[in-house]
Amino acid sequence: EPEVTQTPSHQVTQMGQEVILRCVPISNHLYFYWYRQILGQKVEFLVSFYNNEISEKSEIFDDQFSVERPDGSNFTLKIRSTKLEDSAMYFCASSVESLGPKNIQYFGAGTRLSVL
Amino acid sequence: QKEVEQDPGPLSVPEGAIVSLNCTYSNSAFQYFMWYRQYSRKGPELLMYTYSSGNKEDGRFTAQVDKSSKYISLFIRDSQPSDSATYLCAMRRNTDKLIFGTGTRLQVFP
Repeated sequence: EPEVTQTPSHQVTQMGQEVILRCVPISNHLYFYWYRQILGQKVEFLVSFYNNEISEKSEIFDDQFSVERPDGSNFTLKIRSTKLEDSAMYFCASSVESLGPKNIQYFGAGTRLSVL
Repeated sequence: QKEVEQDPGPLSVPEGAIVSLNCTYSNSAFQYFMWYRQYSRKGPELLMYTYSSGNKEDGRFTAQVDKSSKYISLFIRDSQPSDSATYLCAMRRNTDKLIFGTGTRLQVFP
């Protein structure tokens, strides 16, 4: 069964450093998402992406965050200057469609980001 | 008022029990409803998806949506220890972002 793959599974970084989290969405999916889950809290939407453009972003997704599809298979989330409060699980998801009933989002296993 | 409310539990039941998990929501614009299962430190795994009021069954799982009451439920029949996980409700307006509940932690003991 096709799945969303995320690397690394755990990333440790120093405050102020840049990190790039990587995702390989399901191959025939066209819509990509990043969500975040701080320990003990709910999963929160960060950003959606289609056709090399951001479709929607939350207020969490400020200028420190950026997303990119650098090639035909990868989808990345970059945090330019990490803060302690960026420590969380970051989940990538993908779907065949965006709106309507066919937007069924499948999630990767996540990257645990620890900012020290 | 939160957009999506979910009792965090924990809910502890014996093997074989019927489990009922619930979420309420405040925005009648939500049209699509999902239940995800999340094991510790893993990603959400889609269990059930529905976009109309009524019941949808898949094996031991039944999802129920009552749009008039803004209430959704997930029933698990013949619960197993392997069902022990956190169950997340999620819903979506006619946009692409999912709004999640806080999750209910379920423990099924043998």
